[in-house]
Amino acid sequence: DTAVSQTPKYLVTQMGNDKSIKCEQNLGHDTMYWYKQDSKKFLKIMFSYNNKELIINETVPNRFSPKSPDKAHLNLHINSLELGDSAVYFCASSEPSGNTIYFGEGSWLTVV
Amino acid sequence: SQQGEEDPQALSIQEGENATMNCSYKTSINNLQWYRQNSGRGLVHLILIRSNEREKHSGRLRVTLDTSKKSSSLLITASRAADTASYFCATDEGTGNQFYFGTGTSLTVIP
Repeated sequence: DTAVSQTPKYLVTQMGNDKSIKCEQNLGHDTMYWYKQDSKKFLKIMFSYNNKELIINETVPNRFSPKSPDKAHLNLHINSLELGDSAVYFCASSEPSGNTIYFGEGSWLTVV
Repeated sequence: SQQGEEDPQALSIQEGENATMNCSYKTSINNLQWYRQNSGRGLVHLILIRSNEREKHSGRLRVTLDTSKKSSSLLITASRAADTASYFCATDEGTGNQFYFGTGTSLTVIP
């Protein structure tokens, strides 16, 4: 079974649309993350979240919002998509002690 | 926020040779980790080294950490074509709960 799974894997959408990427982890971890990887492979943390605290990277536009219905899920909602949002988005999780991070396989978002 | 900066950006070697890649960071850390990313895939954890450790081994991997120089190196010995991937270091900036990555080193191992 996949430890961290995210859907969809590929998403092509028009500018201005609103989209969501879903993420689920079955590792029992308390902390989940969203990362964005750009075309130069730079991996930037967007959010880290556990059931007590949401830490938002201050450079992330407020068009991006994480939503967690329960401890095992952290979905990413993106409003008013822009061309620059095109990237690969990775969901990840870890134990609160902050050791190994387990990544999903990524969601390739293309905004046209 | 800082991130690990890997060097070189790209490395191409022959199968059987050793590959060394470096990571530099700017602030104090609790631990430093190395990850591998195969093309089109997610990142996979390789090894973690804590700030009070200087060297760590895992199979063909050897990681060193020099906190005085704020740098780490990853050595892959006797490389194989399957080692072809991007390698990233990740640091926690002492927070323990957020990890910062760089742009990685792209390693190509030629059979």
